[in-house]
Amino acid sequence: GENVEQHPSTLSVQEGDSAVIKCTYSDSASNYFPWYKQELGKRPQLIIDIRSNVGEKKDQRIAVTLNKTAKHFSLHITETQPEDSAVYFCAAREQGAQKLVFGQGTRLTINP
Amino acid sequence: DADVTQTPRNRITKTGKRIMLECSQTKGHDRMYWYRQDPGLGLRLIYYSFDVKDINKGEISDGYSVSRQAQAKFSLSLESAIPNQTALYFCATSEPGTSGRRQFFGPGTRLTVL
Repeated sequence: GENVEQHPSTLSVQEGDSAVIKCTYSDSASNYFPWYKQELGKRPQLIIDIRSNVGEKKDQRIAVTLNKTAKHFSLHITETQPEDSAVYFCAAREQGAQKLVFGQGTRLTINP
Repeated sequence: DADVTQTPRNRITKTGKRIMLECSQTKGHDRMYWYRQDPGLGLRLIYYSFDVKDINKGEISDGYSVSRQAQAKFSLSLESAIPNQTALYFCATSEPGTSGRRQFFGPGTRLTVL
């Protein structure tokens, strides 16, 4: 089955700087890669997703890039703000079983 | 999303007790999921259902059972709760269609087993 590894587990950046979180996946047949943001005590919220026929997708200050050959994808947050502080999860969808496999999460802290 | 609700939101129970967590959705989605979240382990899939007559085990189904009473309702049961089932439990639903199938999560149930 699919296996997703996420790095780093914690990340601290200065407000206004950029943050990058990386994930690798094992199943080359996986075709859908969402990113979720979970604030303290809240539910995971979908912030951006990308399908395997696209290499990059951007939404305001966040972007996701996908490298199918290397089987990795990354979340990029530019001009970070205090409200970006949260735990971020990547996931990959198994083609066969049609279910998501999540990474272990990255705790992002934005320092003022 | 307010369209996915879970009850109870918090529950404290004792070892050996049977407990049921309930999930309801008004999004009209066909697929529903139960996840468990532990610190440092991300979200792990317990069970999932693609329609009322379809139930599938996830990666950590031992000690759990589910019931899909209707398209909108999916319940998770712990037949005999044990302390290492203390965790945050999330229900999720996903969109119909063949592409994407974005998942949306309920607010979560914090379960403590003493």
